[in-house]
Amino acid sequence: DQQVKQNSPSLSVQEGRISILNCDYTNSMFDYFLWYKKYPAEGPTFLISISSIKDKNEDGRFTVFLNKSAKHLSLHIVPSQPGDSAVYFCAASEGSNYKLTFGKGTLLTVNP
Amino acid sequence: NAGVTQTPKFQVLKTGQSMTLQCAQDMNHEYMSWYRQDPGMGLRLIHYSVGAGITDQGEVPNGYNVSRSTTEDFPLRLLSAAPSQTSVYFCASRKPGTTDTQYFGPGTRLTVL
Repeated sequence: DQQVKQNSPSLSVQEGRISILNCDYTNSMFDYFLWYKKYPAEGPTFLISISSIKDKNEDGRFTVFLNKSAKHLSLHIVPSQPGDSAVYFCAASEGSNYKLTFGKGTLLTVNP
Repeated sequence: NAGVTQTPKFQVLKTGQSMTLQCAQDMNHEYMSWYRQDPGMGLRLIHYSVGAGITDQGEVPNGYNVSRSTTEDFPLRLLSAAPSQTSVYFCASRKPGTTDTQYFGPGTRLTVL
């Protein structure tokens, strides 16, 4: 059973517009959530995270929103740039458990 | 710092062959882990280690062995390769007590014929 779900395999947006990537989780014990970005032929790189005690975290153009009651989080990228084109993975962890559970990823394409 | 390094970058094996994927980090991170990425499957945890001499299984450990004799190195061994192990393998490391500072290596693309 997939505990972290990214139901959109791909998303295409125009440069300058907002990109919204969504993630749902089923394990209510998850209390820390992360977004990773991955370019082809490279390893994932950390982008932004949020603890379950918060409902929003911002870092420059990137904002993550967490809705605990809906078990849903989203990543907003504003404004989107062509260099943001990559696969974005949502991941979650439980307490002090070091293990990360990843979603399947969403391929974001930002068109000039 | 080189960060997390993995060798080889590419490898082709025949069914039944064995090999070791190497992973090293120079950040003195206690926690290291191995993931595999398959098309449409995201990253799945194979094995992890919270320090030298300590290893544990992740989500998909079957067919893989690990050991952690030093803080720096965390090799992944395939004892008898199977086509189902065709995948891209990523090694990662991070400091204990944090979650977001997990650094990934560039990956090893393995094909088993």
